[in-house]
Amino acid sequence: EAQVTQNPRYLITVTGKKLTVTCSQNMNHEYMSWYRQDPGLGLRQIYYSMNVEVTDKGDVPEGYKVSRKEKRNFPLILESPSPNQTSLYFCASSLSRTGGVATQYFGPGTRLLVL
Amino acid sequence: DAKTTQPPSMDCAEGRAANLPCNHSTISGNEYVYWYRQIHSQGPQYIIHGLKNNETNEMASLIITEDRKSSTLILPHATLRDTAVYYCIVRVAWDNTGKLIFGQGTTLQVKP
Repeated sequence: EAQVTQNPRYLITVTGKKLTVTCSQNMNHEYMSWYRQDPGLGLRQIYYSMNVEVTDKGDVPEGYKVSRKEKRNFPLILESPSPNQTSLYFCASSLSRTGGVATQYFGPGTRLLVL
Repeated sequence: DAKTTQPPSMDCAEGRAANLPCNHSTISGNEYVYWYRQIHSQGPQYIIHGLKNNETNEMASLIITEDRKSSTLILPHATLRDTAVYYCIVRVAWDNTGKLIFGQGTTLQVKP
């Protein structure tokens, strides 16, 4: 089954304790992206990657890092989490087709609480 | 900023057609209309997209007006599982960021 998986699905942590949220897709997609969703603010893009070793900042990258060493994986790293990073996080993937329509597939979400 | 306007909420009776409108009066010639939905904090799910012709797939139909300034998503036989927030998104087929700009969407409540 074609899917995007995220782990963990739920996480409670404390300020400053480094954490990683994993994202994996089994569709051989070039493009992957991270969003966060907050009440009243909708979904905002954090980082995206057009292919292996190619990453770029989205609209709200502060406090986050990403890496893309393999095509299928795109982990989101919070080096020193703060309470304002409490949010619902989604990973997405897509074939990257310049000039063509590309459906994006989203993971199930990771709900993060930073105390 | 989102380029679309949608009603904040709508109700629909189970088994009836749900018609969700979207205004996109500033749409450009190379911009598509995409619809996604989000069921209670799950990941957004792609539904359908179109450029200027009406489109239909196994989930829904998309009707785009001739001037392309508005569109309607039709769920032909709504079920309780269709209760969700529906997002209408206007954008080019693919850009340098791949970013989808989700507005506030329409919360569709399907009632028994």
